[in-house]
Order: sequence, then structure tokens, then C-alpha cells
Amino acid sequence: EAGVVQSPRYKIIEKKQPVAFWCNPISGHNTLYWYLQNLGQGPELLIRYENEEAVDDSQLPKDRFSAERLKGVDSTLKIQPAELGDSAVYLCASSLGTGVPYEQYFGPGTRLTVT
Amino acid sequence: TQLLEQSPQFLSIQEGENLTVYCNSSSVFSSLQWYRQEPGEGPVLLVTVVTGGEVKKLKRLTFQFGDARKDSSLHITAAQPGDTGLYLCAGGFSGGSNYKLTFGKGTLLTVNP
Repeated sequence: EAGVVQSPRYKIIEKKQPVAFWCNPISGHNTLYWYLQNLGQGPELLIRYENEEAVDDSQLPKDRFSAERLKGVDSTLKIQPAELGDSAVYLCASSLGTGVPYEQYFGPGTRLTVT
Repeated sequence: TQLLEQSPQFLSIQEGENLTVYCNSSSVFSSLQWYRQEPGEGPVLLVTVVTGGEVKKLKRLTFQFGDARKDSSLHITAAQPGDTGLYLCAGGFSGGSNYKLTFGKGTLLTVNP
């Protein structure tokens, strides 16, 4: 069974440009997460979806970040405009449900470099 | 905000040595998870502990959840180069449907052959 798929794997953009990341979760997983991982840090939750509904977006900087999960499957995370401090790895994860015992499966991430 | 502190931050050892990494918080968790992350990959779940004092073993890895559910440790026996990676602990807080994981900064382990 395929794991969580993310694209692109790497992205280099200039500051003030827009950027978008795509995530395809494991088939049948209703819960989808976007995390931000800075160098030398653990992942930090940006947003969690239950099907197509964003149930926790309290950590999402809504002035420049947006996300959508149309039809409750694939998801896109967008940054517009990007800032130097946005350079990080953006991880997508999915799970069958929320909480223990539902394991979160992570994708390989998109490494964003803003110059 | 619930903070998890991991120690040590970096650890470099020789193959065959034993090691322990720690995860501490001032908050009580409903669950505690350990993940391992390799370069260019996402974290992979190793274990989940939910009961204070719980001990789980996974081959050469032993995980313990503190009695007060505020801390945890990961012990690796006879480390091998394949154990190299970033070990992350993550505390779970359960608030109905708002279960949330808070990750520590991780321990970067290097096992030299």
C-alpha cells in the first residue's frame, strides 16, 4: 500500500513569491495533518482536517498561509507571500482517526528554501 | 503550551554501546509516543505508551513512561549503525476530538561502526 505522497520534494523560491505544497494521504484515512519542521526541531502542527473540515487551524498563520482539502482526500498548503523565515520542511501526515490508537503516518516532506 | 524537553540533543557512540535518551515535561500527558526520523524522511512511530509506569520493549529498544505520565525514556541496548537517526518524543493531550501531539526537539543519534 502506498504511503503518504507529497510533492514537490524540494522547492526553492525568492521571498515574496507564492508557493504550494500537495499531499495525497493514505487511502481511507479521514484525518490529515500539515506540520512544519524547522531545522533541529520537532514537527509543529499547522492544521488538522477531519475529512474536508479544518477542525484545528489555531497554529496556522492565516495572514499568509492557507490550506484546503477538497473532497476530503488530497490537500494543498499555500504560502503567499513567502518570507525568509518560512524556510523549513513541511510534513503531511494522515491517520484513520484522531488520538490513540490511531497512528499518524508521515510523508517525506517538502523542503522549502526561501532566498 | 505544553513543552517537551529531550536530552541529550546530540549523541555519538560506538557500535555495541548502550544509551538512554530522555523526554521530560512539567505537563501530564494522556499518551507518549516515540518516533524515529531519518534524513529526508518523515517520522515513523516506534511505540505508544499510555499508562504511568508502563514499559514496552521493541527488540533492543526499551521504552518507559514515568509513573506521573510527565516523562519517558528510551533505552537502546547494543546500538547498531542502523539505529542512527533523530529520535522524537511526542506527548498526546486528549480533549475529546481535539487530541493533539506536541513534539520535542529530538535527540540526534549517530552510531559509528
